[in-house]
Amino acid sequence: AQKVTQAQTEISVVEKEDVTLDCVYETRDTTYYLFWYKQPPSGELVFLIRRNSFDEQNEISGRYSWNFQKSTSSFNFTITASQVVDSAVYFCALSVFSGGYNKLIFGAGTRLAVHP
Amino acid sequence: EAQVTQNPRYLITVTGKKLTVTCSQNMNHEYMSWYRQDPGLGLRQIYYSMNVEVTDKGDVPEGYKVSRKEKRNFPLILESPSPNQTSLYFCASTSSLELAKNIQYFGAGTRLSVL
Repeated sequence: AQKVTQAQTEISVVEKEDVTLDCVYETRDTTYYLFWYKQPPSGELVFLIRRNSFDEQNEISGRYSWNFQKSTSSFNFTITASQVVDSAVYFCALSVFSGGYNKLIFGAGTRLAVHP
Repeated sequence: EAQVTQNPRYLITVTGKKLTVTCSQNMNHEYMSWYRQDPGLGLRQIYYSMNVEVTDKGDVPEGYKVSRKEKRNFPLILESPSPNQTSLYFCASTSSLELAKNIQYFGAGTRLSVL
């Protein structure tokens, strides 16, 4: 079964705290892609990162970093020194090839609230 | 500007009143799809289309129809909406090249309430 699990439904932190959002995935495919999207209160989906299954290097982009571990099927997302503007719902997603189309399997999302 | 445009952004309707949510992309993409987002469930694919006149069911197609008469447009049709179709809907598109790279472009979303 292809599945993405985001066990944390909601996280609440105070500004400047570091926070890690967990993502665990299941797939039988050897080639796949993983994604993180941000959904601010306005509702649109903002693409954050795409990682293929052959690239296990961790990535850092400003205050954001991602830790991909194939051994544990996890693709966790850390925000360092969180800010109020980071408040949003964050989705982890797995791309699967189905019926000639690469569709996205999304996790349930983690709602992050950053308080001043 | 490359974009996927959904209309309307917000819609309140009543049970049984047919409605159409439009989706249009200006990137000449072959592939288009619809997702719905529900609390605790994330986004789930409703229908997808691999090109003009080629459509197929996703994971939650019941109660929905789609059509793909032109490459740029992929409307989502609810012939007899019910309250369990109250949701946030997203249209997405991608080209065959970007499909290989697993890149999809999302519209801004349509928030639908069925009373």
